[in-house]
Amino acid sequence: DTAVSQTPKYLVTQMGNDKSIKCEQNLGHDTMYWYKQDSKKFLKIMFSYNNKELIINETVPNRFSPKSPDKAHLNLHINSLELGDSAVYFCASSQGFGTSGFNEQFFGPGTRLTVL
Amino acid sequence: DQQVKQNSPSLSVQEGRISILNCDYTNSMFDYFLWYKKYPAEGPTFLISISSIKDKNEDGRFTVFLNKSAKHLSLHIVPSQPGDSAVYFCAASGNNDMRFGAGTRLTVKP
Repeated sequence: DTAVSQTPKYLVTQMGNDKSIKCEQNLGHDTMYWYKQDSKKFLKIMFSYNNKELIINETVPNRFSPKSPDKAHLNLHINSLELGDSAVYFCASSQGFGTSGFNEQFFGPGTRLTVL
Repeated sequence: DQQVKQNSPSLSVQEGRISILNCDYTNSMFDYFLWYKKYPAEGPTFLISISSIKDKNEDGRFTVFLNKSAKHLSLHIVPSQPGDSAVYFCAASGNNDMRFGAGTRLTVKP
């Protein structure tokens, strides 16, 4: 009974293509996130959504766009893929945003994106 | 701009001994700190956290210590078990920002 799921697990595509990664959580959380883990293994937050509103938007290229059809889903759309987009992308969710900014988050298994 | 640093990429300890993982941060606005554990091909899982109003938080075999003046926190695992072998990420949050360290790979040898 997966709490946070992502599809696909692996994604291999050509430069210039447009792709989407889906994320769903069944925890009833109201905040969802997308992270990128780069080649140096740093986890960097890209977006978070709280009650269907974008509340953090890091300085990621506008080729990346999060879409949240409802509280349980936060999909990541990437246009005109570039070689540097190759990374592992993690979705996460939490209950609330926390007084200090972040509560404990539950992560999905990750999607390994390879751009050729 | 590495605001959260885990300077030891790896650590190896013997089963039953103590594991100490370290983390340093630079941003004084951080006031909530978390440790996550990650197995291969899985997402990180939350382990333990500490607020800046405390200097210690304990949960079973896991204890996190915070030294605000030094901007340093550490995770102690005692006794260490082979199942603890994983990558451990330190995270710091505050002022609507959150940063992760690069992780420390812990190997606990039987």
